[in-house]
Amino acid sequence: DAGVTQSPTHLIKTRGQQVTLRCSPISGHKSVSWYQQVLGQGPQFIFQYYEKEERGRGNFPDRFSARQFPNYSSELNVNALLLGDSALYLCASSPRTGLVGEKLFFGSGTQLSVL
Amino acid sequence: DAKTTQPTSMDCAEGRAANLPCNHSTISGNEYVYWYRQIHSQGPQYIIHGLKNNETNEMASLIITEDRKSSTLILPHATLRDTAVYYCIVRLNFGNEKLTFGTGTRLTIIP
Repeated sequence: DAGVTQSPTHLIKTRGQQVTLRCSPISGHKSVSWYQQVLGQGPQFIFQYYEKEERGRGNFPDRFSARQFPNYSSELNVNALLLGDSALYLCASSPRTGLVGEKLFFGSGTQLSVL
Repeated sequence: DAKTTQPTSMDCAEGRAANLPCNHSTISGNEYVYWYRQIHSQGPQYIIHGLKNNETNEMASLIITEDRKSSTLILPHATLRDTAVYYCIVRLNFGNEKLTFGTGTRLTIIP
């Protein structure tokens, strides 16, 4: 079975531009989360979506937005890019069964460089 | 979620047991301890989790102290493929799926 897939793998943008990152969860997984990982730091939580509704939001500005589609895939949008938005953007999915110890399965990420 | 403290880096000889400590002195009674690892150029990978009992799976063992203020992840026979950054995370098991990552421990397995 395919794991979590993200596209594109690498992206270069300039300041002020907008970017859309895409994520396809593992088949059967209904929950998708987004994380930002700046070089040298651990991933930071941005959003979680479940059944197309936002279920959690991290401490990120309104320039960051996301949505989930009926097939449970997701997009992360970042407007008015800043140099500090340069990072690895990770998507994770889970089945969200409500069982104790739900694991998150991460994709390999999209490396965004803002020049 | 409770804050965790881990050593910045550790080395371990190939074939030996790697013991990675984590301090979580402010953990609350209903918070679980999770371990993930991140191999270079990949997303984090789940390893193991526990509440208060020791846990073992095919990847590792998790030892949680009786007062739950610290834990140790044990990789019983480390291989070169275990070289990675290991994250100890404490979280509730309900609500949203936010994981609060610290900077983790960079484990290097030495041939």
